[in-house]
Amino acid sequence: DIQMTQSPSSLSASVGDRVTITCRASQGISNYLAWYQQKPGKVPKLLIYAASTLQSGVPSRFTGSGSGTDFTLTINSLQLEDVATYYCQKCNSAPFTFGPGTKVVIK
Amino acid sequence: EVQLVESGGGSVQPGGSLRLSCAASGFTFSRYAMSWVRQAPGKGLEWVSSISSSGDSTYSADSVKGRFTISRDESKNTLHLQMNSLRAEDTAVYFCAKWSPSTMHGDTYYYMDVWGIGTTVTVSS
Repeated sequence: DIQMTQSPSSLSASVGDRVTITCRASQGISNYLAWYQQKPGKVPKLLIYAASTLQSGVPSRFTGSGSGTDFTLTINSLQLEDVATYYCQKCNSAPFTFGPGTKVVIK
Repeated sequence: EVQLVESGGGSVQPGGSLRLSCAASGFTFSRYAMSWVRQAPGKGLEWVSSISSSGDSTYSADSVKGRFTISRDESKNTLHLQMNSLRAEDTAVYFCAKWSPSTMHGDTYYYMDVWGIGTTVTVSS
């Protein structure tokens, strides 16, 4: 099975900073990748699908890129409300594995 | 409003069984594949099982294969997860999620765009 990894596992950044999270698949998955945000105590929320397509209603400061095995989620100008754990997920075929998550906190 | 509401969670002894349900509303249930995702206390998201829109195809994680069965009842717009031979490591919040498709440039991409609030399963003696 294809394994999904994320780095870093956690990060601390200041409001207004640009934050980049990396997701890597152990084998190529084209651009069949989604990103989710889970705020503390809340339900996961879809941010991006097809590696770079922003879900309706998601702020444009979130951008996704990548294809094959390497993907990135970028938060341009981090906001207080972006404190959350971010997960990538492979969506090409079962098993639809999630990455281990990246926790983002405010410095 | 598109909504998913899980039920059926609770406390059970190791080796026991539970049946989770997820009531869907606000969309045409029969048109969408559905999934179960779980989250153990303090841990990340783990995909558990998925079922096609027709119910003809099901997929499960190795960790639950042979113990959990996903199904759907179109007459009641409800998704189910039958969980047998439960283990302590199955303790988690179980979310149901709607798989939505989007076709771009001839390719179809799937993603979980609607999630329920989850139901808690605790397996302990």
